[in-house]
Amino acid sequence: EPEVTQTPSHQVTQMGQEVILRCVPISNHLYFYWYRQILGQKVEFLVSFYNNEISEKSEIFDDQFSVERPDGSNFTLKIRSTKLEDSAMYFCASSESYGTNYGYTFGSGTRLTVV
Amino acid sequence: QKEVEQNSGPLSVPEGAIASLNCTYSDRGSQSFFWYRQYSGKSPELIMSIYSNGDKEDGRFTAQLNKASQYVSLLIRDSQPSDSATYLCAVHTGGFKTIFGAGTRLFVKA
Repeated sequence: EPEVTQTPSHQVTQMGQEVILRCVPISNHLYFYWYRQILGQKVEFLVSFYNNEISEKSEIFDDQFSVERPDGSNFTLKIRSTKLEDSAMYFCASSESYGTNYGYTFGSGTRLTVV
Repeated sequence: QKEVEQNSGPLSVPEGAIASLNCTYSDRGSQSFFWYRQYSGKSPELIMSIYSNGDKEDGRFTAQLNKASQYVSLLIRDSQPSDSATYLCAVHTGGFKTIFGAGTRLFVKA
């Protein structure tokens, strides 16, 4: 079964450092997403991406965040200057289309710990 | 602010029973509704989607949608211990995002 691949599975970084989280979506999917889940809390939308540009972003996705699809397969989330409150599980997801009946396939996540 | 509300649980049912999970949403214009299952420490996994009023069945799972009441539910028949997980209700609110409820923890006792 096709899957979304995320690397690394766990990253520890010092406050103020830049991190890049990587994702390889399912090959025939066109829509890509980043979500995060702080421990014990809900899955929160960060950003959606289609046709090489951001489709929608949340209030969380401020200037310290950016996304990129540098080639035909990878989809990355960059956090420029990490804060303690950025510690969370970050999930990449993809979907074939959007709207009615198109759910997401999630990757296994990257656990980011900012110290 | 568009919201998706779920009872956090835990909901505890004996093996073989029917588990009933509920969700309400605030945006009347929402079109698509999803149920995901999330095991502890794992990523969400899509179980079912529904977009028309009424019931939709898939194996042991039945999703129910009532747009007038802004209410979605998931029934799990013949519950198994392996069904023990957190169940996330998710709503596509239009545009390019889906928002998630906080989830209901289900515990199926053997």
